[in-house]
This record gives sequence, structure tokens and C-alpha cells, in this order.
Amino acid sequence: SSELTQDPAVSVALGQTVRITCQGDSLRIYYASWYQQKPGQAPVVVFYGKNKRPSGIPDRFSGSRSGNTASLTINGAQAEDEADYYCNSRDINGNPPYVFGTGTKVTVL
Amino acid sequence: QVQLQESGPGLVKASQTLSLTCTVSGGSISSGSYYWNWIRQPAGKGLEWIGHIYTDGRTNYNPSLRSRVTISLDTSENQFSLRLTSVTAADTAVYYCVRDSPQLVLPFDYWGQGTLVTVSS
Repeated sequence: SSELTQDPAVSVALGQTVRITCQGDSLRIYYASWYQQKPGQAPVVVFYGKNKRPSGIPDRFSGSRSGNTASLTINGAQAEDEADYYCNSRDINGNPPYVFGTGTKVTVL
Repeated sequence: QVQLQESGPGLVKASQTLSLTCTVSGGSISSGSYYWNWIRQPAGKGLEWIGHIYTDGRTNYNPSLRSRVTISLDTSENQFSLRLTSVTAADTAVYYCVRDSPQLVLPFDYWGQGTLVTVSS
């Protein structure tokens, strides 16, 4: 199976912008989905596809893709955005059909 | 609003079989075109896809677990289930039941709250 690589941790000052990246060969073909996971909770999708944000997700969350890298940007990070973030896509090899990123811990200072 | 809820023993002895059930509410498990997935997460670690079952009963499993995993569908109870045999401490994790779609751009959209399963020696 292929892999999706994320930076283990990033920090951002309150109200500033942070970008989380996800790298992998699958992303040249498939769009990433992004999940936010707070301690003790299930992941929640915050962005997916080319430009889709689920209902109820603040518009400060946005996504993009370039080559083999997908990015999730939080514009004007809030304290409640502190969480682990995982990317996910279909797997280029198809077996297994999905691959998850290694996860990024976002700390809001 | 679709809701998923995992249930099953929180403690399983090593070498035995882990069995979990996911009850789906707010929609029929047999209608529409969806994959019903199991995903797990060891404490402090990332997410691992275990396998899924399609609305028509077709299954697909992670090759790393295929020899030990069975996922089944019970449309009369609106549930789907996971069986993992010959468990070891490495199978200790939070197990999530999750819905997604065959459409490539759609994400894992509905997640259960997760259930912790500990494998004891």
C-alpha cells in the first residue's frame, strides 16, 4: 500500500494562519479528505474533494492540492481548532483501497 | 441524520475472537450505495482501515488483517458486525464503525463514537 506523510506537529498563534500538508503518490490521482480529531472523540471530516466543506464546518478551513501534496489551511485559527488532523485518500494501489496520513497535532498558542 | 453506535465487549483475552456490532439509525443500511467500514486506532497512534462491507454484501479487507477478519451485514437489525480472530495485544485499540460511499471524492462522513477494546493476556 502507499503512504501519506504529514508533519507530526505544528503550532499557530491565535488568529493566525496555519497550513497542514499531506504528501503521497495517491494524491496525484485522488483528492484528500481531512479529518479533525479532538481527544477522546471520533474524527470529523472538515474538508474533502476539490473544494468541499461539510455543513457546519467554519469557512476558515480550506483545502488545496498540488502535485503529490494536499494541504489543509486554517485561516484565523481559533482555540477550538487545537486537535489532531488526518488526511486520507483512496490508495493508488487499491489494496487496501484507502490510506490515512500519519497525523498532525495542531497547537494553538 | 445517520448515527452509528458500536457495541461489544471491552475486554478480550489474547488468542480469542473480538466481536463488535455497529447499529445504524436514521437510515436503512440496505438502501443507497454505501460502504460500511471498520477503522481502528491504537492509543496515541493513527487510523487503520480494517475493512468494509457494501450494501449488497460484498466485502473488502485490509491485506494485513484479511486472514483474521470477517465483516457481515444484518439488514433485519440494521447492523453490521466485525469479527477479528486470534487477537493479540497489538489489536488493542479504539474501534470505529464508519460510513462512506463508492464515489471517489466522498469522505468517511459518519462515524460512531468508537469503542475501546483491550486485549488482555
